[in-house]
Amino acid sequence: QVQLLQSGAEVKKPGASVKVSCQTSGYNLNSHGISWVRQAPGQGLEWMGWISIYDGYRSYAHNLQGRVTMTTDTSTSTAYMELMSLTSDDTAVYYCVRARTHTVGDAFDYWGQGTLVTVSS
Amino acid sequence: SFELTQPPSVSVSPGQTASITCSGPNLGYKYASWYQQKPGQSPTLVIYQDTKRPSGIPERFSGSNSGNAATLTISGTQAMDEADYYCQAWDSTTAVFGGGTKLTVL
Repeated sequence: QVQLLQSGAEVKKPGASVKVSCQTSGYNLNSHGISWVRQAPGQGLEWMGWISIYDGYRSYAHNLQGRVTMTTDTSTSTAYMELMSLTSDDTAVYYCVRARTHTVGDAFDYWGQGTLVTVSS
Repeated sequence: SFELTQPPSVSVSPGQTASITCSGPNLGYKYASWYQQKPGQSPTLVIYQDTKRPSGIPERFSGSNSGNAATLTISGTQAMDEADYYCQAWDSTTAVFGGGTKLTVL
């Protein structure tokens, strides 16, 4: 069955970077896009960006441009999200999410378990 | 920028019909999706492409989308349906989520 298994919780200091991994299984990574979505404590869902191995396309949220990088390793079927120059506003649960297809614009049908990133001095 | 607006909360009695709206400019020209999130859990897709249910989602969940609003309808609402619900659509190559609606079944 489809699974997205994320790396464990992280605590970072302001100004640092964090890299979250998402090990996928049960499907062909080439056939589906991956997005990252975050949720601050008690808040709603915020889309961060999209990556598709199928055509190499990436799209990032405007407010995170320049700070976020999404990559994939097809040899291990793993997706990564790196966020730099962290502030307390980046404290959130980060989800990797599979899209129904490799085409940008489709719904998100499988979600990882989430990774809590806490930014604190 | 494109924004989606949802009511913060909706209440419904068990067995009744709950409707949650999601509004945005010309939303009817885009596909809307809906996600359910229970406390401490990851969201789950319940409706995609306006009206389609993924396998395993009960038939009491349905969706519509026209004009400037999409609607998630839960018929015969059960206690287990109490959760936060988020609408989502794409504005070109950017995904946008609504602010979420807390559905209370009482």
